[in-house]
Amino acid sequence: EPEVTQTPSHQVTQMGQEVILRCVPISNHLYFYWYRQILGQKVEFLVSFYNNEISEKSEIFDDQFSVERPDGSNFTLKIRSTKLEDSAMYFCAIRSKDTQYFGPGTRLTVL
Amino acid sequence: GQQVMQIPQYQHVQEGEDFTTYCNSSTTLSNIQWYKQRPGGHPVFLIQLVKSGEVKKQKRLTFQFGEAKKNSSLHITATQTTDVGTYFCAGALDMRFGAGTRLTVKP
Repeated sequence: EPEVTQTPSHQVTQMGQEVILRCVPISNHLYFYWYRQILGQKVEFLVSFYNNEISEKSEIFDDQFSVERPDGSNFTLKIRSTKLEDSAMYFCAIRSKDTQYFGPGTRLTVL
Repeated sequence: GQQVMQIPQYQHVQEGEDFTTYCNSSTTLSNIQWYKQRPGGHPVFLIQLVKSGEVKKQKRLTFQFGEAKKNSSLHITATQTTDVGTYFCAGALDMRFGAGTRLTVKP
C-alpha cells in the first residue's frame, strides 16, 4: 500500500492567516486529492490534481484555496485567509490503480 | 450534481448481530468504493465494485453493487468490536462520499 504522509499533524492559526498543508507521497503519483472533514461530519471532496493541473474542484474550493506541487514531490494545499469554519481535518489522498490511499490528515484549528 | 446518499446515519448493534449500510446515487456510477474510518483515524480503502450486480466478499464483509449501478450495500455478518467505525461509500466518478454510517458495537 502506497504510503502518504502529511505535515503538520496539527496546525493552529489565527483567523485571517494563511496556512499551507503538505502531503508527501513516498513514491511518484500523478493523481492527488484533497478532502476535508469537519468534526463528526462526512468526508468532503475539495479538489483533484492530475499531472500538475487541477482536474476537478468542488464548490467548497473557492478562491481562498489553492494547490500546487512545487518541487515535483510535495503536494500542498494553501488557504489564503483562514476562517473559523475552515477548522477541520484535511486529508490528502493519492490514487493508485483506481484505489485511493489517504494520509493521516492535518487537523487545522482556526481561532 | 451527483448525490450519494447513505443510510442509516448511525447503527448500534450487539456484538454478534449483523449490520448493513446502504448507499444510493442519483446517477449511474462507473464504480463505487467503500472505506472504513476508525474513530480518530483516516479513511481506509476496503473495496471497489465495478460491474453491475457485482458481489464481493472479504471475510465477514459482503459488498454488493446494484444492477442499475446506482446503489450499493455493505453487510457485516456477526459483528465484532473491531468493526467499530464509520463506513463510507464513494461514487468514483468524482469521489463524492456519502455521509457515512457510524457503527458502534456493544460487547
